[in-house]
Amino acid sequence: QSVLTQPPSASGTPGQRVTISCSGSSSNIGSNYVYWYQQLPGTAPKLLIYRNNQRPSGVPDRFSGSKSGTSASLAISGLRSEDEADYYCAAWDDSLSGREVVFGGGTKLTVL
Amino acid sequence: QVQLVESGGGVVQPGGSLRLSCAASGFTFSSYGMHWVRQAPGKGLEWVAFIRYDGSNKYYADSVKGRFTISRDNSKNTLYLQMNSLRAEDTAVYYCAKDPLEGWGQGTLVTVSS
Repeated sequence: QSVLTQPPSASGTPGQRVTISCSGSSSNIGSNYVYWYQQLPGTAPKLLIYRNNQRPSGVPDRFSGSKSGTSASLAISGLRSEDEADYYCAAWDDSLSGREVVFGGGTKLTVL
Repeated sequence: QVQLVESGGGVVQPGGSLRLSCAASGFTFSSYGMHWVRQAPGKGLEWVAFIRYDGSNKYYADSVKGRFTISRDNSKNTLYLQMNSLRAEDTAVYYCAKDPLEGWGQGTLVTVSS
């Protein structure tokens, strides 16, 4: 059971806009930045969004992130076949037992 | 360009030990915290450990606390993960990543099996 909750799957047709949610709590998303990663089959994860809504250079502006309270979302507009991948959210979690990074369980995006 | 190359994975028996290495280049290694993250076959990402840029603070996932030790040698631009008392559930691809998890290596597979 992951600390951050993501839907296990999402889908859309080419050109559509899809969103993937990530729900947490006050000790993680509520008080720390959210990061989003894309993992294509058989490859290492790639950073898509950092500090809630910032895109690293080279990441298309079709990808955007937002955060509100203890939840965050990743939006992909103009969906393309090459966007078919697993997507993960992550955040630092500060609890009484210390600090740790927590991930969502991942969302498998299918482009129909 | 951030480049991270993990090594040291392999097959080990339950209860055994293994040390992973991560050679870093393309950035000032001594200025950044570093993470280990793992992914069991067919499963999601699981954070394992973090070490501050100067090694002054280390954090671990509960699942590895007391068994794994993260360390670094800034003179060699290398990150390490000493894994002791290995269990079957530690079987995974282990990635090193530059904080804030923005650059990842290709991973090294650790298989714990008798």
